[in-house]
Amino acid sequence: ELKVEQNPLFLSMQEGKNYTIYCNYSTTSDRLYWYRQDPGKSLESLFVLLSNGAVKQEGRLMASLDTKARLSTLHITAAVHDLSATYFCAVDPSLSGSARQLTFGSGTQLTVLP
Amino acid sequence: EAQVTQNPRYLITVTGKKLTVTCSQNMNHEYMSWYRQDPGLGLRQIYYSMNVEVTDKGDVPEGYKVSRKEKRNFPLILESPSPNQTSLYFCASSSWDSVTEAFFGQGTRLTVV
Repeated sequence: ELKVEQNPLFLSMQEGKNYTIYCNYSTTSDRLYWYRQDPGKSLESLFVLLSNGAVKQEGRLMASLDTKARLSTLHITAAVHDLSATYFCAVDPSLSGSARQLTFGSGTQLTVLP
Repeated sequence: EAQVTQNPRYLITVTGKKLTVTCSQNMNHEYMSWYRQDPGLGLRQIYYSMNVEVTDKGDVPEGYKVSRKEKRNFPLILESPSPNQTSLYFCASSSWDSVTEAFFGQGTRLTVV
């Protein structure tokens, strides 16, 4: 059974600080997805990581994937209040990919304090 | 605009009363899925469909039914809802092209009393 573990589950950080969210998974997969969810809202795609060593950046967020270690990280640089949300990583281990059978982590609830 | 549309957004029902949550996508995606989200558990897949008339169980299928008679629609059916099915439900769609992500609907908050 595929397990996806995120840590921390809760994160409070000061504006302007840096931090990293970790996502470990238990089976072979070279496809990992990061999503953001605001309270009461749907999931918004942030990054699609499709191979070992993949790194993607958008604004103050950068995601990376190490398939050998079965680890993905989401790094936050110089946090701002607008980044407050819950962040999920998700893995699709199916051979055909296509994000059709996602297993999600429990989510990291990020609060950025002024 | 590319989107996944679910209805209704909110639903309160009584135990045992059959209900259907609809899901429609306008992106011509082959794959569609249903997830439920519960506090502390993330999202768990209920059922998924790879194309018309092709469906399969996800991780938590008990108490749910689905059908895929048209490519764009993937309704979720609760034949006899119970309180433990109170949850936030999301429909998602994705393309056979594995370089893209899954797109999610707005969610349906279901309460079974």
